[in-house]
Amino acid sequence: DAMVIQNPRYQVTQFGKPVTLSCSQTLNHNVMYWYQQKSSQAPKLLFHYYDKDFNNEADTPDNFQSRRPNTSFCFLDIRSPGLGDAAMYLCATKGPRWGNEQFFGPGTRLTVL
Amino acid sequence: AQTVTQSQPEMSVQEAETVTLSCTYDTSESDYYLFWYKQPPSRQMILVIRQEAYKQQNATENRFSVNFQKAAKSFSLKISDSQLGDAAMYFCAYRSAQGGSEKLVFGKGTKLTVNP
Repeated sequence: DAMVIQNPRYQVTQFGKPVTLSCSQTLNHNVMYWYQQKSSQAPKLLFHYYDKDFNNEADTPDNFQSRRPNTSFCFLDIRSPGLGDAAMYLCATKGPRWGNEQFFGPGTRLTVL
Repeated sequence: AQTVTQSQPEMSVQEAETVTLSCTYDTSESDYYLFWYKQPPSRQMILVIRQEAYKQQNATENRFSVNFQKAAKSFSLKISDSQLGDAAMYFCAYRSAQGGSEKLVFGKGTKLTVNP
């Protein structure tokens, strides 16, 4: 089945130790998103790619970076995780048609020790 | 900037009954899309229903329907014949139809509990 896959599902890292989360999709969608979601809150958009064009949200800390080497894959790099970065990280995709919904992956739960 | 407000942090309903979740939004645009997403505990977010602002007819998907009031900027979700599997966090979301806008604006969510 076409889907959005996130690996790993659970990630534990140490304070200040770089970590990379990955997302892949089989939907061939041109837009990919990274969201941060803390407990009982709405997802907060960090950035998105429209094809290869990177779009950063104004309030996304510099600590968060992203790479999209091809259509199928997108990575979220946290250069120096702090305790406040512990959260669920959601990847989502969207096709090119207006009104198309975003398809979400299952998320990666990040714990920072 | 657009905003989405869900005024009910939590709601509960008895199994088989009907519940309505509220959502209001603020925008100066005339063309946009509205969505309800469902996020069950520890499971991924999925789309429940979508409404295009230019359509007057309210969207329906099986037991789920919306009451879209464009002038009032209201977009409520009605769940009929509630089932235990409907228990989840529900997010209302807005997306502009303007060219180049790919972002969803989410409300804070409503946690729905379904009682057996």
